[in-house]
Amino acid sequence: KAGVTQTPRYLIKTRGQQVTLSCSPISGHRSVSWYQQTPGQGLQFLFEYFSETQRNKGNFPGRFSGRQFSNSRSEMNVSTLELGDSALYLCASSSGTGFGEQYFGPGTRLTVT
Amino acid sequence: AQSVAQPEDQVNVAEGNPLTVKCTYSVSGNPYLFWYVQYPNRGLQFLLKYITGDNLVKGSYGFEAEFNKSQTSFHLKKPSALVSDSALYFCAVRDPGNTPLVFGKGTRLSVIA
Repeated sequence: KAGVTQTPRYLIKTRGQQVTLSCSPISGHRSVSWYQQTPGQGLQFLFEYFSETQRNKGNFPGRFSGRQFSNSRSEMNVSTLELGDSALYLCASSSGTGFGEQYFGPGTRLTVT
Repeated sequence: AQSVAQPEDQVNVAEGNPLTVKCTYSVSGNPYLFWYVQYPNRGLQFLLKYITGDNLVKGSYGFEAEFNKSQTSFHLKKPSALVSDSALYFCAVRDPGNTPLVFGKGTRLSVIA
């Protein structure tokens, strides 16, 4: 079974620009979660989607948004990029039950200059 | 809201010695507990989980964890450490229901030959 894939793997953007990251979950998984990982803050939860509906949202500004498509693929968008948005963005998929483990993609490394 | 603490940023252990990576949690109900490992420039990999039942849970790569409800702890253990176990380890907790998975800040394990 193919794992979680994320594209692109690396991105360099300038302050003020916007960016869209993509995540393809494991086949059959209906839940996709996004996390931001930075050395200082660890893993911060962004949002979770289940069957195209946002089920949970973390404490991030409205510049961070996401969506999930009918095939469970998900995208997240960050508008008006700031230097502090530089991070590794991780996507994880799961069956959607609370006790199911999440399977992580390799991440997208975003650098904002 | 649920939370998890990993009190040690770094754990050093000699190869062949037993290792312990500590985790304590706070939830309102019965917790779902998870351990993940992250190797350099990779996404997180699932190691093991506790949902219910036996307090001692066995997982991948010879790791195990013990759920202690009275101490609200879920420490990760391995009887004999390998150099290849050197990585970043994350504990995570989830309240039953559709709540997000919350991660600790991670503990860097270094196994010295």
